[in-house]
Amino acid sequence: GAVVSQHPSRVICKSGTSVKIECRSLDFQATTMFWYRQFPKQSLMLMATSNEGSKATYEQGVEKDKFLINHASLTLSTLTVTSAHPEDSSFYICSARGLGHRSYNEQFFGPGTRLTVL
Amino acid sequence: AQSVTQLGSHVSVSEGALVLLRCNYSSSVPPYLFWYVQYPNQGLQLLLKYTSAATLVKGINGFEAEFKKSETSFHLTKPSAHMSDAAEYFCAVIMNRDDKIIFGKGTRLHILP
Repeated sequence: GAVVSQHPSRVICKSGTSVKIECRSLDFQATTMFWYRQFPKQSLMLMATSNEGSKATYEQGVEKDKFLINHASLTLSTLTVTSAHPEDSSFYICSARGLGHRSYNEQFFGPGTRLTVL
Repeated sequence: AQSVTQLGSHVSVSEGALVLLRCNYSSSVPPYLFWYVQYPNQGLQLLLKYTSAATLVKGINGFEAEFKKSETSFHLTKPSAHMSDAAEYFCAVIMNRDDKIIFGKGTRLHILP
């Protein structure tokens, strides 16, 4: 149980285009989802926190107009990288925290999405 | 503010030897502590977590960690390393359910044949 999926696992796009990454909780309701970015050989950097049905809370330095986050349901959150540039190339990981004692104080992580912008 | 320090960005041990990955935290209140493992190009997998119950926590793949309040530590150990243990390990802390997870910088574990 407590499985989180991401789609796509890898995406290559041209500079200037937009890319959407999906994060789904498969067997539990995710009241809160988190989006992280990870550069090579570095730790995870929290980009934003999204609660179902409300606007995402972005960390300092993260452009909310560039990284659009939507958490429209209890099982799906999306991250859209708008007008992507090569410096946006990174590994994006989502995590989800949900209802019930099983997930108390624990986030379940997706497998990540490798974005390469040419 | 809470923080996590992982000593050693790289640790190498021989196959069959003891694995010890160090993690120290700073917190003014009892924290919740986690160890995650990440294999190349994959997400994070929870190894174990401390949530104020037993101070010695057993996790998956033979790993365990001991919460030592006096030392503000939560070191990860495994008695005998396997080649499959080669990965990146992250220590993380969270103060309460609504707080964000704070990750350490990670330790790359290398297993020598």
